[in-house]
Amino acid sequence: GAGVSQSPSNKVTEKGKDVELRCDPISGHTALYWYRQSLGQGLEFLIYFQGNSAPDKSGLPSDRFSAERTGGSVSTLTIQRTQQEDSAVYLCASSWTSGSQETQYFGPGTRLLVL
Amino acid sequence: RKEVEQDPGPFNVPEGATVAFNCTYSNSASQSFFWYRQDCRKEPKLLMSVYSSGNEDGRFTAQLNRASQYISLLIRDSKLSDSATYLCVVRKGGYQKVTFGTGTKLQVIP
Repeated sequence: GAGVSQSPSNKVTEKGKDVELRCDPISGHTALYWYRQSLGQGLEFLIYFQGNSAPDKSGLPSDRFSAERTGGSVSTLTIQRTQQEDSAVYLCASSWTSGSQETQYFGPGTRLLVL
Repeated sequence: RKEVEQDPGPFNVPEGATVAFNCTYSNSASQSFFWYRQDCRKEPKLLMSVYSSGNEDGRFTAQLNRASQYISLLIRDSKLSDSATYLCVVRKGGYQKVTFGTGTKLQVIP
């Protein structure tokens, strides 16, 4: 079946512009995560959606970052007034939790470059 | 202290060698543990879950030590294709989010 998809795959923008990144999770997965990964660095947690619960926004680096998940499916990560330090790969992952087991399936990522 | 800590490496090992990585976690209430693999410029993928009694999948063996709060990954008979970054993942339980370590880089040398 279809995996997690993300769009666009690459985005080049100018400093100060807003960008929207989209994630289509695997159908039926209740959990959705956004991460950021700079070149050669580890995954940086941004935000976590689980079912109808309030999202865990504890990883968002500033109020320029926001995300929503509509209808428990598609998610959009918005970065306002982009800065050069926002350049990174933004990864989305979805999962279905069953007891102690949870396999995260990652999308291919959106490579964001802020000039 | 970070929730999940890993030695970043790199670990440079010859083909055929056995290599082991450890990962420590800070929250004793953690319940679920996993190893993921990330190839260069690719997304992470699940390698294996880690069970309390330890588990093996081919050349890969995962162990959990709750008393000392660490998990380990042992790779036997290393292949060139094992070269990647290995990410330790921990979840406290229920529907709480997972936490990724920053990864250990492995380079298998011919």
